[in-house]
Amino acid sequence: GQNIDQPTEMTATEGAIVQINCTYQTSGFNGLFWYQQHAGEAPTFLSYNVLDGLEEKGRFSSFLSRSKGYSYLLLKELQMKDSASYLCAVRDNAGNNRKLIWGLGTSLAVNP
Amino acid sequence: NAGVTQTPKFQVLKTGQSMTLQCAQDMNHEYMSWYRQDPGMGLRLIHYSVGAGITDQGEVPNGYNVSRSTTEDFPLRLLSAAPSQTSVYFCASSYSGTGWGTGELFFGEGSRLTVL
Repeated sequence: GQNIDQPTEMTATEGAIVQINCTYQTSGFNGLFWYQQHAGEAPTFLSYNVLDGLEEKGRFSSFLSRSKGYSYLLLKELQMKDSASYLCAVRDNAGNNRKLIWGLGTSLAVNP
Repeated sequence: NAGVTQTPKFQVLKTGQSMTLQCAQDMNHEYMSWYRQDPGMGLRLIHYSVGAGITDQGEVPNGYNVSRSTTEDFPLRLLSAAPSQTSVYFCASSYSGTGWGTGELFFGEGSRLTVL
């Protein structure tokens, strides 16, 4: 089957670092995405990994290991505005499938 | 720069009524899709389109119809609304073609539908 697992909830302190993990099992793989979704709003794109390794974008970094079916999103210097849900999604290119497989999201609460 | 525009933002329907959620994008994206998001269920794909005149079913297509007569517009029709269709609906688009590239999705603001 196709499955993406990520923790349901996490809490962290303002100014700290937090790592949100995502493991996946899909029939094909053509990239992994991280999206941020604030309560009551639409998801917005954060990062994309298709090759193994770390992609850094300001305070946010994303890592991918295709052999392990594993990714993480690293948030540094946490701010209150980082309180949101973080969605992991894998692009499955099996056949002519142009669909994303979505995790249920990790709700991050940043406390002062 | 409008991006992806969805209307209406809020709607209340009675069981059995029909309605259309509108979605338009001005980024010349070939790929457009409709999702519903429910607590504990995550984002689920309803229908998608890879270009004008081409549509396909997603994970949860029953009770919904779509059409894609232009690159810009991708309306979602609820044929006979049911309480189970109470949800938040998102339209999303991306670049595609022979290769997806990064292919990040751009989402509309969402439409909150309640079916009584």
